[in-house]
Parts: sequence; C-alpha cells; structure tokens
Amino acid sequence: AQSVTQPDIHITVSEGASLELRCNYSYGATPYLFWYVQSPGQGLQLLLKYFSGDTLVQGIKGFEAEFKRSQSSFNLRKPSVHWSDAAEYFCAVGVPTGANNLFFGTGTRLTVIP
Amino acid sequence: EPEVTQTPSHQVTQMGQEVILRCVPISNHLYFYWYRQILGQKVEFLVSFYNNEISEKSEIFDDQFSVERPDGSNFTLKIRSTKLEDSAMYFCASTLNSYEQYFGPGTRLTVT
Repeated sequence: AQSVTQPDIHITVSEGASLELRCNYSYGATPYLFWYVQSPGQGLQLLLKYFSGDTLVQGIKGFEAEFKRSQSSFNLRKPSVHWSDAAEYFCAVGVPTGANNLFFGTGTRLTVIP
Repeated sequence: EPEVTQTPSHQVTQMGQEVILRCVPISNHLYFYWYRQILGQKVEFLVSFYNNEISEKSEIFDDQFSVERPDGSNFTLKIRSTKLEDSAMYFCASTLNSYEQYFGPGTRLTVT
C-alpha cells in the first residue's frame, strides 16, 4: 500500500533563509508526486508535480522539488523564504491508475520569523 | 481563472442529522473527488467519481456516505446520519485528466 511520510511536523526558518521540506513515499512503482500548500482557512493549492522525466521540477512561488528514486524522496526546496510562505505544506502521492486518488502526508507547518 | 467552489463554508449539525455538502467543480473537468481532514490530521481520500459513477472509495466511505452529480454542474456529498467523528474539513477536488487535482476551499463540518 502507498504511504507518505513527512518527518518534520514543524519547521521555523528566518526570512531570507533557504528551506528544505522532506517527503518520503512508499509505493511499488514510481507514483505521481505532488506538493500542496495550505494557508490558514484556505484550501489546498498545488505548488508543483512530478510525473516523469526531469527529476528536478519547478513550481510556483519559487519552489522546486527533486525526485530521488533511490531514496524514495521528493523534497521541496526554496532558496530564500518570504514571510508569506508561512503555511502548512503537504506532500502527496498519486497512484497512476484509475482516478489517481491522492494520498497525503501529515504535513509540515512552516513558520517564518523576521 | 476557474476555481472549485464549495458551500457552505461552515456547517453545524446535530448528531444523527443528514447533511449535504455541495461543490461546483471546474466546468470542463471530468473527475471529481471528496477528501476530508480531521483537525490536526492529514488529508484523507474519501471517494472519486467519473462518468457518473463512483470510481474508487476508501474504507472511510461507508454506507452513511453517498455522492451525486445531480445536474451536470454540482457534485454533492451526503452523510445520512452524522456522528461526532464526522467533524472535519471536507474538500472537493476536480481534474480534467486525473493528473492535477484542483481543490476547493473546503466546508468545515461540526457535529454536536
């Protein structure tokens, strides 16, 4: 069965610092991989996705993620964090059959300090 | 930019009552989903819907739950007899090609 692990429940970074949020998945083949962001009281916004091809994918708001098959990881990065990036970040796996239902990790809450 | 909308934003109901949560997916999308997020927990898949029938459902989606696309634009989730543990944020999502799912803002359901 597929599963997603986000080992960091809460991360605090200073504005302007770099960021890396970790995500590991468990699935028998290569799944579709996603990062979503949820601001307080808001829905889920897609940051970026990986289906195949280039393992470094670029997303919105200056985020990127790298798929590493050998580590079953899909870590999210941003070189310089802005205060508006404070939110909850969810990694998700999509099983590439049928309706591609998403399986989410437990999320990482990002706090940005001045 | 088209978006998924959900109504109401917050629903309070008493245990045992029926609730219907409404979603208007993006108009040309073909796949529809419901997910829920209990406070402080991860987002969980409930059900997917394609070609006017349920495509897949999770163990959470028992006989108390049903979905419907009554008029070609709305997509509803009905909970027949709500329990306290149904209190959660319910998200609707839609996609054209089953790849990128677009989520609505959610309906917070509070069962008292």
